[in-house]
Amino acid sequence: QKEVEQNSGPLSVPEGAIASLNCTYSDRGSQSFFWYRQYSGKSPELIMSIYSNGDKEDGRFTAQLNKASQYVSLLIRDSQPSDSATYLCAVNGDTDKLIFGTGTRLQVFP
Amino acid sequence: GAGVSQSPRYKVAKRGQDVALRCDPISGHVSLFWYQQALGQGPEFLTYFQNEAQLDKSGLPSDRFFAERPEGSVSTLKIQRTQQEDSAVYLCASSPNYSNQPQHFGDGTRLSIL
Repeated sequence: QKEVEQNSGPLSVPEGAIASLNCTYSDRGSQSFFWYRQYSGKSPELIMSIYSNGDKEDGRFTAQLNKASQYVSLLIRDSQPSDSATYLCAVNGDTDKLIFGTGTRLQVFP
Repeated sequence: GAGVSQSPRYKVAKRGQDVALRCDPISGHVSLFWYQQALGQGPEFLTYFQNEAQLDKSGLPSDRFFAERPEGSVSTLKIQRTQQEDSAVYLCASSPNYSNQPQHFGDGTRLSIL
């Protein structure tokens, strides 16, 4: 059974701090990795995709991938209360389907 | 440009009734996926279409679940003889082509079985 593991949280950080979200996956053959943000009652919204080892930056977000350790992370700099949401890590499985973790709930307090 | 559109947004049905959920993907997107999301969980894969071909239905929980995409665009997920455990949010996602491109999700259909 291919799995994606995330700490469910909540992860609480003060406004302006860096939030660090982590994810591990079991399938060494995975090639594509995604971070989605999901506000309560809303659908998942893609915020980052990463395909090769290293860092990928987009605004306040940085995704980090280490295939040897089977580890993906998301850093959010200068966290804002509006960043409070559940962050879902997703990894491609067979036939392009996504395998999701259970999500980490992030709370940014003023 | 319109995103993925799902209807209805909310559906309440009595146990034993049949329901049909509709997904209209982003125009031109080849791949279409259905996921089921229970409260407090991540989405779980149900089935996948490439154009009109259903390439993977390994996630469908039982033979009461059926999906189709006859013209390679709009898709319908049908659940027959609904059970209480079918209550969940059903999400549809589409992506542009055959490779591992990001999937874009619709707003989902929240299904409640009484």
